[in-house]
Amino acid sequence: GAGVSQTPSNKVTEKGKYVELRCDPISGHTALYWYRQSLGQGPEFLIYFQGTGAADDSGLPNDRFFAVRPEGSVSTLKIQRTERGDSAVYLCASSPHPAGGRSSYNEQFFGPGTRLTVL
Amino acid sequence: KQEVTQIPAALSVPEGENLVLNCSFTDSAIYNLQWFRQDPGKGLTSLLLIQSSQREQTSGRLNASLDKSSGRSTLYIAASQPGDSATYLCAVSLDPRSNDYKLSFGAGTTVTVRA
Repeated sequence: GAGVSQTPSNKVTEKGKYVELRCDPISGHTALYWYRQSLGQGPEFLIYFQGTGAADDSGLPNDRFFAVRPEGSVSTLKIQRTERGDSAVYLCASSPHPAGGRSSYNEQFFGPGTRLTVL
Repeated sequence: KQEVTQIPAALSVPEGENLVLNCSFTDSAIYNLQWFRQDPGKGLTSLLLIQSSQREQTSGRLNASLDKSSGRSTLYIAASQPGDSATYLCAVSLDPRSNDYKLSFGAGTTVTVRA
């Protein structure tokens, strides 16, 4: 079936604007993750959803960042009052289930990412 | 906090040579370890996942080993090809009994295979 999809692939915005980034996980995957990757670095965790609820939002850098997953499928990452330091590639991943007696259930599958540039 | 380190940061080899990529992590209470490939401007492709109870995992020319007690994993790529040129990332997740499912990534090793 289809993999994880993310839209838009590229987003250019001006400092201070509001942006929304969308993630469509693999069908049937209950867990969804957002990561942020800066140039030359590995991805850094932002937030994890199990179903509709945010089970861990400890990676969100500040209260300008917010994410939702209202129906337990598609998720939207929202950034208010964007700053130049928010420029990065935002990656979304999904997994069948984070745990359940089988370690492989936490195998995470990534989308192509959204490259955000704040001017 | 889990720290993941990958050495070397970059590697250039002639075609046909075997590749050895290293990954180390500070907290040995991992749940599993994943190796990913990332092409320039693209997302991450999962290559191998090693469960914490396993010592190695193989897929085609790729073999990954895991020494949990010493906090190390090694990815071997046999008979490298120019198409293997990419950045390789390793990532670990901690024991889910700690309710922590996120992946902690290294910064990656950028591989160039010269034809």
